[in-house]
Amino acid sequence: NAGVTQTPKFQVLKTGQSMTLQCAQDMNHNSMYWYRQDPGMGLRLIYYSASEGTTDKGEVPNGYNVSRLNKREFSLRLESAAPSQTSVYFCASRGTAGGISPLHFGNGTRLTVT
Amino acid sequence: EDKVVQSPLSLVVHEGDTVTLNCSYEVTNFRSLLWYKQEKKAPTFLFMLTSSGIEKKSGRLSSILDKKELSSILNITATQTGDSAIYLCAVYNNNDMRFGAGTRLTVKP
Repeated sequence: NAGVTQTPKFQVLKTGQSMTLQCAQDMNHNSMYWYRQDPGMGLRLIYYSASEGTTDKGEVPNGYNVSRLNKREFSLRLESAAPSQTSVYFCASRGTAGGISPLHFGNGTRLTVT
Repeated sequence: EDKVVQSPLSLVVHEGDTVTLNCSYEVTNFRSLLWYKQEKKAPTFLFMLTSSGIEKKSGRLSSILDKKELSSILNITATQTGDSAIYLCAVYNNNDMRFGAGTRLTVKP
């Protein structure tokens, strides 16, 4: 199984440019998440989707938008990139049937905004 | 506001040493606490703890939750260079999962 797949793996943007980070999971999970990871700050939640058709803000949603396209796919959009958005972005998913379960992570997208 | 705090932030030990990593939390609607290991890419799951006082163990790694003290510890005995990684603690409430800043463990030969 592929698990959680993120594209692209690397991206360089200029300030003000826009882009969409793609995430897809093949584990039939209900919940999907976007995190960013900066040195010394662990993983911070940007947005999550508890189920298809719903999205909610996390700790650091400003400057981002998300779309839960279907059960498999959850995309993260930067409308006008800023240098403060330079980070490593992780998508994750979690099954919710039967109670609590751990997150499964993609391999990350390293984004640099100049 | 929900908060997860890990200590120490960084730790350097020699092979064979035993280490204890700490995680404390203030979270509304606590459901469970999870530990992850992160080497170069994605975090990988180690343990999930829901009940107080029950130790989870996997080889040289073990973890326990204290719900009265709102904390957990992760122990690694007889450390190896392959244990070098960032160890992340996360707490799950009703909807989302919040992470601490992580402990960077370096094990020297």
